[in-house]
Amino acid sequence: EVQLVESGGGLVQPGRSLKLSCAASGFIFSDYYMAWVRQAPKKGLEWVASISFEGSDTYYGDSVKGRFTVSRENAKSTLYLQMNSLRSEDTATYYCTRHKGYYDGYYFAYWGQGVMVTVSS
Amino acid sequence: DVQMTQSPYNLAASPGESVTINCKASKSISKYLAWYQQKPGKANKLLIYDGSTLQSGIPSRFSGSRSGTDFTLTIRRLEPEDFGLYYCQQHNEYPFTFGSGTKLEIK
Repeated sequence: EVQLVESGGGLVQPGRSLKLSCAASGFIFSDYYMAWVRQAPKKGLEWVASISFEGSDTYYGDSVKGRFTVSRENAKSTLYLQMNSLRSEDTATYYCTRHKGYYDGYYFAYWGQGVMVTVSS
Repeated sequence: DVQMTQSPYNLAASPGESVTINCKASKSISKYLAWYQQKPGKANKLLIYDGSTLQSGIPSRFSGSRSGTDFTLTIRRLEPEDFGLYYCQQHNEYPFTFGSGTKLEIK
């Protein structure tokens, strides 16, 4: 069974940093791209970032480019999201998702339960 | 960026009825559209990808279709567990974009 468990969320002041983690299990982690998708309170879904199989390629939404960094540690089956220079508009639930496989498209096949990040002074 | 226009915003139906949710892409995305279901306290669920391919484990009462840049999710014979939020997402190109969502409620 595929499981994605996010951690590291919480309350943080504007301008500060926070690092999210996602522990994956139930599949061969290195065989899939991984991604972060977020959802602001009472709003829709927004793709944040994606990372390739070995982490050599990363992709970001315009709203986080230059501030957020996605990375992965395949030996630990763990995905990360380093969030710097946080803004109030980054307040959201952040979902870890399993993304493209070797034979898959760029849809989000599995999702974690999400972790809340609140940016406020 | 590809804009995804999803409609309706709200939808009310009774168990046993059929409903359709629409999603229109601002430019060609070929067949690359996915549909997701969101329910409180549960992980988001992929229902359909590539416009009409049913994800493993999803009941056959869910179906997807495409006409050009217009996509439709149809749910036949609604079950109580089908009520919730539905989102479309284009998976043709970066940045991946979602529709604004449709809330399916019990009438």
